[in-house]
Order: sequence, then C-alpha cells, then structure tokens
Amino acid sequence: NAGVTQTPKFRILKIGQSMTLQCTQDMNHNYMYWYRQDPGMGLKLIYYSVGAGITDKGEVPNGYNVSRSTTEDFPLRLELAAPSQTSVYFCASRQRDRSYEQYFGPGTRLTVT
Amino acid sequence: KNQVEQSPQSLIILEGKNCTLQCNYTVSPFSNLRWYKQDTGRGPVSLTIMTFSENTKSNGRYTATLDADTKQSSLHITASQLSDSASYICVVSARFSGGYNKLIFGAGTRLAVHP
Repeated sequence: NAGVTQTPKFRILKIGQSMTLQCTQDMNHNYMYWYRQDPGMGLKLIYYSVGAGITDKGEVPNGYNVSRSTTEDFPLRLELAAPSQTSVYFCASRQRDRSYEQYFGPGTRLTVT
Repeated sequence: KNQVEQSPQSLIILEGKNCTLQCNYTVSPFSNLRWYKQDTGRGPVSLTIMTFSENTKSNGRYTATLDADTKQSSLHITASQLSDSASYICVVSARFSGGYNKLIFGAGTRLAVHP
C-alpha cells in the first residue's frame, strides 16, 4: 500500500491564482481530512469527509473548497490564492473504527506571493 | 477554550541520553490523547494513543504517560538515537454528541539529537 499520497510536493502561486491539491489514499478509509500547518502553530483542520459524497467544514475553511466523488480521492481547491494561504498542507485518512488512528500524507508546501 | 500546550519548544540532547517532553491540555470533553512524530518535510506518524483509562503506553523506546486528573501527558524517550531528531506533537481529541471527534494539535517540541 502506498498509504496517503499528495501532489504536488511544492508549489508557488501568484496572488489571485487558483490550484487544486491532490490527495489519494489506497487503504479504503472512510474518513479523510485536510489540515494546514503554519510555522510554530498546531495543525488546523480545513475540511473533512466521512465518506464519498459527504464533506464538512473544519476550523479554517474560508478560501478553500473540497469534493469527495470517490472513496480514494479528496482534492482541495484554492480559489483566488492569498498570501495568508502560504502554509504546508497535509491530507490524512482513517478507518471508521475505535482506534481513531489517522494516517498522514507527506504534505504540500505552498507559497503565495 | 480547548488548548494543547507543549514544552519545551525545542530541546537538544546528546545521543544515548534520555529526555521527557511535556503536554498540558484544557480540552473537554476528553476522548483520547496521541503523540505523533514528525520528521522534517514529512507528515506526522502516530507513536501512541491513550484513552481516559490508560495512564501509560509504550512503543519501543517511547513511553507516554497520561494524568487525566491534572490534564498532563509526557513522552519519555530512552537511549536517544540520531533518528529521534524530529518534532513531537501532542494531540488531544474531544468527542462531541453525534460521534464527532475534534482534534486539537499542540505546536510541537522540536528535538535535536547530537552525536
């Protein structure tokens, strides 16, 4: 199993541009999450999904959108990128069980200038 | 307000030495507490998960403790190795009605192990 994969690893965007961060997991996990990690801060939840076709907002959803058309994929869309969205983005997934174990991808480092 | 605070922010130790990282939390209603290891440029990897009833859990040279009364946890690393150099993140889960779990992440302790 590859686990959770994310693309791209790095990206530089200009203010106002749009992009999609890709996330795929091959563990057949129901739950998927998007987090951002800013320097010196804990991870913040952007959006999450409990299954295909179901998504919900986390703590910091403004400026982002998600979709979950399949169990495997959970892309994160940035519209009209702003410097405040400069961060490292992590996708995670977990099975619907009592272990609550989340598996994280390697991250995407995004810079908006 | 739900918060997780970790100390120290950073730590340097010599290879072979032991160290202890601290985590204090004000999270309610408490569900579980996790410690993650995050290598530079990588995603966090789970070390331990403890529920309310567990007060210690080990994973190799890593031992986590939990005092639910004082809302404190520690991660003890024994006989450190160069590969232990990483950030260690304490994460507390709050469980709300309807089964929704919210994770509150600490900012992490950055550990450097020197030869």
